[in-house]
Amino acid sequence: ESVLTQSPGTLSLSPGERATVSCRASQSVSSSYLAWYQQRPGQAPRLLIYGTSNRATGIPDRFSGSGSGTDFTLTISRLEPEDFAVYYCQHYGGSPTFGQGTKVEIK
Amino acid sequence: QVLLVESGGGVVQPGRSQRLSCAASGFTLSDYGMHWVRQAPGKGLEWVAVIWYDGTNKYYADSVKGRFTISRDNSKNTLYLQMNSLRAEDTALYYCARPQYSSGWNDAFDTWGQGTMVIVSS
Repeated sequence: ESVLTQSPGTLSLSPGERATVSCRASQSVSSSYLAWYQQRPGQAPRLLIYGTSNRATGIPDRFSGSGSGTDFTLTISRLEPEDFAVYYCQHYGGSPTFGQGTKVEIK
Repeated sequence: QVLLVESGGGVVQPGRSQRLSCAASGFTLSDYGMHWVRQAPGKGLEWVAVIWYDGTNKYYADSVKGRFTISRDNSKNTLYLQMNSLRAEDTALYYCARPQYSSGWNDAFDTWGQGTMVIVSS
């Protein structure tokens, strides 16, 4: 079972800026089974990206994912006010595991 | 509209039991494997358990193995989580989650309920 470590823990940015969140796996994982979720306060998680780089239904194209092996990245090209939230990576090959989360906060 | 609605949470004493339910609507539950995921207050997401579309396979996180049982009644469009021997560290918001396509696992979760809170305290 791969342990996922996200960095940074908190990202302080302004609307319109670019956000980059990293997810590192303790062992190589299939890029087919890497997802990203957004969780706003008081809400359930929402699937953003699956299979490393595929946007889920209804997700704006300012969200993108990339990576392979042990290193994966979520990029938000231009932050909108509603994007300030916590982001989690997930590996779902076998028993699913989540990263510890990255909070994107308003600077 | 695809919807998952959890219920059954509450305050329970350590060592006691609680059963959670997840009512599904807007899709055919029997087509999907289903998961439980929990989130302790102020913490991250922790996967708890999965059950295959037909109930034939079940897998659990090590933290709940032997204490929790996942089950389903496809005729009632309902998923369950029976939690026994509850501990303080089981205190969390419990979500049921549906994968995008899969009847088992190896799939991301595109539908989540709103969660039901379980507080284990004397």
